[in-house]
Parts: sequence; structure tokens; C-alpha cells
Amino acid sequence: EPEVTQTPSHQVTQMGQEVILRCVPISNHLYFYWYRQILGQKVEFLVSFYNNEISEKSEIFDDQFSVERPDGSNFTLKIRSTKLEDSAMYFCASSEDTGSPLHFGNGTRLTVT
Amino acid sequence: GQQVMQIPQYQHVQEGEDFTTYCNSSTTLSNIQWYKQRPGGHPVFLIQLVKSGEVKKQKRLTFQFGEAKKNSSLHITATQTTDVGTYFCAAFPRGGQGAQKLVFGQGTRLTINP
Repeated sequence: EPEVTQTPSHQVTQMGQEVILRCVPISNHLYFYWYRQILGQKVEFLVSFYNNEISEKSEIFDDQFSVERPDGSNFTLKIRSTKLEDSAMYFCASSEDTGSPLHFGNGTRLTVT
Repeated sequence: GQQVMQIPQYQHVQEGEDFTTYCNSSTTLSNIQWYKQRPGGHPVFLIQLVKSGEVKKQKRLTFQFGEAKKNSSLHITATQTTDVGTYFCAAFPRGGQGAQKLVFGQGTRLTINP
């Protein structure tokens, strides 16, 4: 069964550094998402992406965040200057169509020290 | 913004007991989805409910969507240790073509005493 893949599985970075989290969505999916989950808490929406542009974003997704689909397969989340509170599990997801179920990757655990 | 409230936050049961989690919204939902997240894992889609009053079953799991499409429940009959995890409901604040922001409830963490 096709799956969403994310790399790396764990990223440790120092406060103020830039990080790029990478995702390969399921190949025939058109909608892409980033979520984050602070340990033990709810799954929080960050951003959705369709047709090479952001569809919706949350209040969390401020100017420090950006997303890109640099080629036909990858979907990236960049955090320009990481803060301690950015430490979380970041999940990428994709879906076939608007309103369809989301397929999540295994996540990248980001630790900011 | 759109909120889906989910209760309880935690539930601990003896193996073989039943379990129910509830999801409520202040506004009418176009549909509702349920996900399961095993400890250390990622959310995995379980089911989607669309119609008012809809009931769907998956083995020991029963999912219901309220008549007013503002609430939903997941009931597990005779829990097993494999049911351990956090169960999330999720909904799109705006249905149809605007359905590109899936908002998750707070989740109910189920633990089971074998």
C-alpha cells in the first residue's frame, strides 16, 4: 500500500537555526498538509497546500514557516529560525481530494535545544 | 475558529470492558472522520461519516453521527490490548471545496489493564 514518507525521523537543532523537514506524499494525491503534535497533546493543523500554493494556514504558521514543493515528489516544511517551543513531532499528510481522508507519514521529531 | 470538543481526555478500562469517546461541535459538520494513533505512531484513518444519523461498524468498533450532524461517537465493545492508543475525531470547518483544513479534537487516550 502506498505511504507518505518523511525524513529525517529525528532532527536535533540549536535555537535560531534553520531546519527543513522533508516529505514524499502519495504519488496520486493532490492535497498536502503539515501538522504538528507537541508530546501528548492534540494534532495541530499548520498548513495545507494544493496546486502549488498554500490553501489554508493556521495562526501557528507565521513568517518563520514556509512550505515548498520543489519538484514533482517532495513537499518540504522550512522553519527559518527555530525556537524552543518549535520542539514537537511534525507530521506530513496527503489526500486524494478535498475532504478526503488524510494519510499521515511517520513524522519527524524535532528537538530544539 | 471551528472547534471539535472531545471527551473524555483519558479512559482506563479493564480488558473486555467497553469504551466510548464523544465528539461535539457547536456548528453543523459536513462530515466527520475518526483516526487512531498508537503510542509512538502517527494518526491512521479509521472511518468517515457523512450522513445525518449514520451508523457504521468495523468489527468491535461502532461509529455514529448525530442527527443534527453536530456530534459523533466511537464505541468499542469488549476492548482488547490492541485497542490501546489515542482516538481522534476530526472535521473540516468548511465543507465542500473549502475542505482543506482538517481540525482534530483533543483526542481520548485509551489505556487497558490486561
